[in-house]
Amino acid sequence: ETGVTQTPRHLVMGMTNKKSLKCEQHLGHNAMYWYKQSAKKPLELMFVYNFKEQTENNSVPSRFSPECPNSSHLFLHLHTLQPEDSALYLCASSLRTSETYEQYFGPGTRLTVT
Amino acid sequence: KNQVEQSPQSLIILEGKNCTLQCNYTVSPFSNLRWYKQDTGRGPVSLTIMTFSENTKSNGRYTATLDADTKQSSLHITASQLSDSASYICVVIPVTATGGFKTIFGAGTRLFVKA
Repeated sequence: ETGVTQTPRHLVMGMTNKKSLKCEQHLGHNAMYWYKQSAKKPLELMFVYNFKEQTENNSVPSRFSPECPNSSHLFLHLHTLQPEDSALYLCASSLRTSETYEQYFGPGTRLTVT
Repeated sequence: KNQVEQSPQSLIILEGKNCTLQCNYTVSPFSNLRWYKQDTGRGPVSLTIMTFSENTKSNGRYTATLDADTKQSSLHITASQLSDSASYICVVIPVTATGGFKTIFGAGTRLFVKA
């Protein structure tokens, strides 16, 4: 395994529900990322955290709310989602956010919004 | 139009054969170009990372090439195995004026290796 774990692996939620995705890395990295992978579309970078501080928010709707309490944990809080938000949500980490560092991905959470 | 285009979208080959996947990009300037392998239901795993000044990088049976003049990269898989069945994704990391971190992913090539 890559050293990045995500829970849950699968999630089905209604549009009025509130849920959270969790990511944990055991690699001693300082940067963590959330990506969205929709069917037959390229991965989209959503958020970037470096040393617990958010450094990138790629115009993500406010119904997605990230939280990074420390360098090892990253959450994605979800509320009032839409069916088009159904996708595979991937977490990744790297030593730093510099473009020279390799990213390690978790297995993802398959989210279905009904 | 995506700044990173991959071809073909999907490919079927017989076990033991070689294949080459293509990646054309328009991102400029860029810091490095990466190839990832993604098995079904799993996260991507890095195969190669090349800086803009490198021409080739190997990782076992995987060899990536980069031509910065034509803005093309390829991933060559030698003596394919059933376990090579996966999606292969090309990623370009641009140099940003603000120093922020960006990644531009291709849509991937879905490879099927048959016995």
